[in-house]
Amino acid sequence: AQSVSQHNHHVILSEAASLELGCNYSYGGTVNLFWYVQYPGQHLQLLLKYFSGDPLVKGIKGFEAEFIKSKFSFNLRKPSVQWSDTAEYFCAVNRGNSGYSTLTFGKGTMLLVSP
Amino acid sequence: DGGITQSPKYLFRKEGQNVTLSCEQNLNHDAMYWYRQDPGQGLRLIYYSQIVNDFQKGDIAEGYSVSREKKESFPLTVTSAQKNPTAFYLCASSIVAGGPHEQYFGPGTRLTVT
Repeated sequence: AQSVSQHNHHVILSEAASLELGCNYSYGGTVNLFWYVQYPGQHLQLLLKYFSGDPLVKGIKGFEAEFIKSKFSFNLRKPSVQWSDTAEYFCAVNRGNSGYSTLTFGKGTMLLVSP
Repeated sequence: DGGITQSPKYLFRKEGQNVTLSCEQNLNHDAMYWYRQDPGQGLRLIYYSQIVNDFQKGDIAEGYSVSREKKESFPLTVTSAQKNPTAFYLCASSIVAGGPHEQYFGPGTRLTVT
């Protein structure tokens, strides 16, 4: 069965620190990769996605992620975090080229940014 | 505004009672999904549906049931057979045609069963 691993359950950073959240998946075929974010009290929303093409994808709010196929990884990065980035971050994967494909989520990483 | 509506935001039930969670979308999406979120567990798929009157079980379907009588609506019933129903329930939808697409999520319903 497909699985998604997020390496850190909790991360605490000071403002302006750099962020990298790890994500690895187990499926070897064609995959689509997503990072979602859940700010306190808000909807789960999409940060960025990778379907094909340039493996370095840029998302909202200065986030980016790099797809490394050989490492089955899709790590999320931000050069300088802000207090408003405090949230829970989820990596998710689905397979193939169809729009009807279920997502497998990692267990999430809770990021706390201290001012 | 287009989006996904889930109601109510908070729901309290006694053990042994069935409860139905509402999910409505006006995005004209074909596919709809139900997930359960527990602390430290991420999101786990309960049921999903591509078209009206058709749905499939996800990874943790036991103790749940769904219906898809209208494209816009995908209600989830948490039955008394669900052993640990207290959780945060998220509904999502997506476009199907034209390749992979992201899923859009509703605000969720927090169910507490005592």
